Amino acid sequence: NAGVMQNPRHLVRRRGQEARLRCSPMKGHSHVYWYRQLPEEGLKFMVYLQKENIIDESGMPKERFSAEFPKEGPSILRIQQVVRGDSAAYFCASSPGTSAQYFGPGTRLTVL
Amino acid sequence: AQTVTQSQPEMSVQEAETVTLSCTYDTSENNYYLFWYKQPPSRQMILVIRQEAYKQQNATENRFSVNFQKAAKSFSLKISDSQLGDTAMYFCAFLLSNSGGSNYKLTFGKGTLLTVNP
Repeated sequence: NAGVMQNPRHLVRRRGQEARLRCSPMKGHSHVYWYRQLPEEGLKFMVYLQKENIIDESGMPKERFSAEFPKEGPSILRIQQVVRGDSAAYFCASSPGTSAQYFGPGTRLTVL
Repeated sequence: AQTVTQSQPEMSVQEAETVTLSCTYDTSENNYYLFWYKQPPSRQMILVIRQEAYKQQNATENRFSVNFQKAAKSFSLKISDSQLGDTAMYFCAFLLSNSGGSNYKLTFGKGTLLTVNP
């Protein structure tokens, strides 16, 4: 019973490049969440998606960030024209409904 | 809006002893969940224990138990017989359970770094 899978685990980008982070939820889970963790901080909610729908993206910056959860395939968090302040750990979580969320191992993004 | 406060940035305990991590929260809602997550050096976020606010009985999971005081809005985690593998950052988190509201945004505290010493 595979858990939430994220890839890549580590991603290095130069300023101005694009970052694509992938998340495959646990089997049977149709709810996906993305959180960001800055150094020395707890996780902060970014976006909540169900298949083909963005339910709430209130925690996501309005510019350069986008998320999708297509009918087939993983959820993608996309960051365009990355800046140094985007360096963080990005966690994906999934749940069968709106209850306990199970997290993936995270993607550590470093922007040079 | 809900807030979660963990007042102990760091704690340490000797192997095999018991330690309690504190968490307080603020909400005007009556129905919610509370969680403790563990983040070891691997940085994976691991669900340790969950408590439903409507349940008076404190949740337990093996060596982990909570002391849930709803009126005081307190949710502490007790780790018994501490093991070296318990060394991690521990996060307290809050989730609304009302339908129709933001019952999917986990709100996290800033964490407590627990070190178990041999």
